[in-house]
Amino acid sequence: QKEVEQNSGPLSVPEGAIASLNCTYSDRGSQSFFWYRQYSGKSPELIMSIYSNGDKEDGRFTAQLNKASQYVSLLIRDSQPSDSATYLCAVNTGFQKLVFGTGTRLLVSP
Amino acid sequence: GAVVSQHPSRVICKSGTSVKIECRSLDFQATTMFWYRQFPKQSLMLMATSNEGSKATYEQGVEKDKFLINHASLTLSTLTVTSAHPEDSSFYICSASTTSDRAFNNSPLHFGNGTRLTVT
Repeated sequence: QKEVEQNSGPLSVPEGAIASLNCTYSDRGSQSFFWYRQYSGKSPELIMSIYSNGDKEDGRFTAQLNKASQYVSLLIRDSQPSDSATYLCAVNTGFQKLVFGTGTRLLVSP
Repeated sequence: GAVVSQHPSRVICKSGTSVKIECRSLDFQATTMFWYRQFPKQSLMLMATSNEGSKATYEQGVEKDKFLINHASLTLSTLTVTSAHPEDSSFYICSASTTSDRAFNNSPLHFGNGTRLTVT
């Protein structure tokens, strides 16, 4: 069973702080990793993709990948109340089949 | 770019009836589309992979005769929930990716807006 694990949260951070979201995966052969943001009642929206070990930055978002540890993380700098949502970690297990974690609910308080 | 349109956004039907959900890629051709289902407070679960011009590939535990998938063109896939029951009430989401020769297998998926199905 290929699994993706996330802490369900909620993760509460004050506005302006850094939010750190973590994800582990079981399939060592996975090659591509994605973070999606999902607002309540809406479909997922792609935030970041990462394919190589290390960090990848895009605006306030930084994705980190460590394939040896089978670990992916997402950092959100200068968190805003509008960032409050559920963040889904997704792992491509082959031919674009994505396995999703259960998501981490982020709450950013003003 | 990479817009995926899904229709309807919300549907309520009576138990025993069938419901069709459409998924369209608006500005790109999608040889492969994916259908996911999400129950409340749970993650997205892949139901099936829809391939243009061929039969869909279903995930284990998904009844192919109940969830009929048609992918007749490069921009349209449909999911029909046949003889719907209350336990089929869920959020159904389609997705597709733009095909890029080298990065195809690693391309992120772009999701439609989802269809909230309620079976009474």
